[in-house]
Amino acid sequence: EVQLVESGGGLVQPGGSLRLSCAASGFTFSTYGMTWVRQAPGKGLEWVASIKQDGSEKNYVDSVKGRFTISRDNAKNSLYLQMNSLRAEDTAVYYCVRGSGYRYPFYIWGQGTMVTVSS
Amino acid sequence: DIQMTQSPSSLSASVGDRVTITCRASQSITSFLNWYQQKPGKAPKLLIYAASSLQSGVPSRFSGSGSGTDFTLTISSLQPEDFATYYCQQSYSGPFTFGPGTKVDIK
Repeated sequence: EVQLVESGGGLVQPGGSLRLSCAASGFTFSTYGMTWVRQAPGKGLEWVASIKQDGSEKNYVDSVKGRFTISRDNAKNSLYLQMNSLRAEDTAVYYCVRGSGYRYPFYIWGQGTMVTVSS
Repeated sequence: DIQMTQSPSSLSASVGDRVTITCRASQSITSFLNWYQQKPGKAPKLLIYAASSLQSGVPSRFSGSGSGTDFTLTISSLQPEDFATYYCQQSYSGPFTFGPGTKVDIK
């Protein structure tokens, strides 16, 4: 069974850092681009960042550039999102998604992990 | 960036109704348009990709059409499990933007 399981969410103060992880199983992780999508409480979906299969290319939404870093470890079948200088507006459920987004849909989604930025 | 709009933002319908949701892109995205269904507390689920291709396992009452800038999602006969929020999303170019969503609830 194809599965994506996120972890690492929680409560963090403004200006703080958090690292999200996504464990992939049931497919050949190294052959797929991967993406993070977030959803603020009661709001719509927002693409955050994507990474190519080999990690050679990364793209970010403007609002997180310079603060967030997407990475992957193909040997561990894992995707990461390092989030620094967190702001209240980063509060959201963060979904790990299979696919890079370019010319392909987001086929497989994890269950999401909640990040709350508050003092 | 490509902006996505949807209409209506919400609608009330009855079981058995035919429902149509429209999505518009701010520039041509050819057929790189996808539709997702999301139920409360759950992750989105892919319904339609490439404007009109039905994802495996999705009931045939769902269909999509359109190209360029204007697209539609149609549910031919609404079922109780279809009450949810629907999002369109363009995969033509980054950032891969979503529409604001259309909430379908029970009349």
